[in-house]
Amino acid sequence: AQKITQTQPGMFVQEKEAVTLDCTYDTSDQSYGLFWYKQPSSGEMIFLIYQGSYDEQNATEGRYSLNFQKARKSANLVISASQLGDSAMYFCAMRGGFGNEKLTFGTGTRLTIIP
Amino acid sequence: KAGVTQTPRYLIKTRGQQVTLSCSPISGHRSVSWYQQTPGQGLQFLFEYFSETQRNKGNFPGRFSGRQFSNSRSEMNVSTLELGDSALYLCASSYRPPIGTYSNTQYFGPGTRLTVL
Repeated sequence: AQKITQTQPGMFVQEKEAVTLDCTYDTSDQSYGLFWYKQPSSGEMIFLIYQGSYDEQNATEGRYSLNFQKARKSANLVISASQLGDSAMYFCAMRGGFGNEKLTFGTGTRLTIIP
Repeated sequence: KAGVTQTPRYLIKTRGQQVTLSCSPISGHRSVSWYQQTPGQGLQFLFEYFSETQRNKGNFPGRFSGRQFSNSRSEMNVSTLELGDSALYLCASSYRPPIGTYSNTQYFGPGTRLTVL
């Protein structure tokens, strides 16, 4: 079974500061994928970034980067230079198992950017 | 390229009724997955369809069912609605190539918010 743990229910960050959202995972799969999604109040889940378990380099997508520490089973999301539009729920998710599309989600972190 | 679309966006039903939700995937995507999101249980996987076949199923009662059509559009049906079925139902699509890879990203639609009274 797979499990995703997000220990920060809510965070408040000053605009333009960097923020790190924590995610730890547990799985028995040797090969797996880790994802971060953003969910604004409108409800739609927006894909942010992906990290494969065999990727040697940390993934980056614009202002988003994923701090992947395989031995510690952590996949923290780093948002640089936060903006007011970054205020939303953020979910860490995992997919594992060959041919398995199922995503297992964490409980999410509500990020609020303060002007 | 158009994103994932879901209809209707909002729905109000009463206990005992049934409901059908629709999802149109991104063009070229052949896999459609459904998720239920509630404040209490969070995001939970319902099922996945690929090539008109259910490939994976979450831990939900048989009242929850789905299907996929030849154009990859998918519907999910909930029969005999209960108050606890009130939730945001999210559909996601992915490419899912014949030989699976782990970089297959799922893209979500805006969701259907179902309220059961």
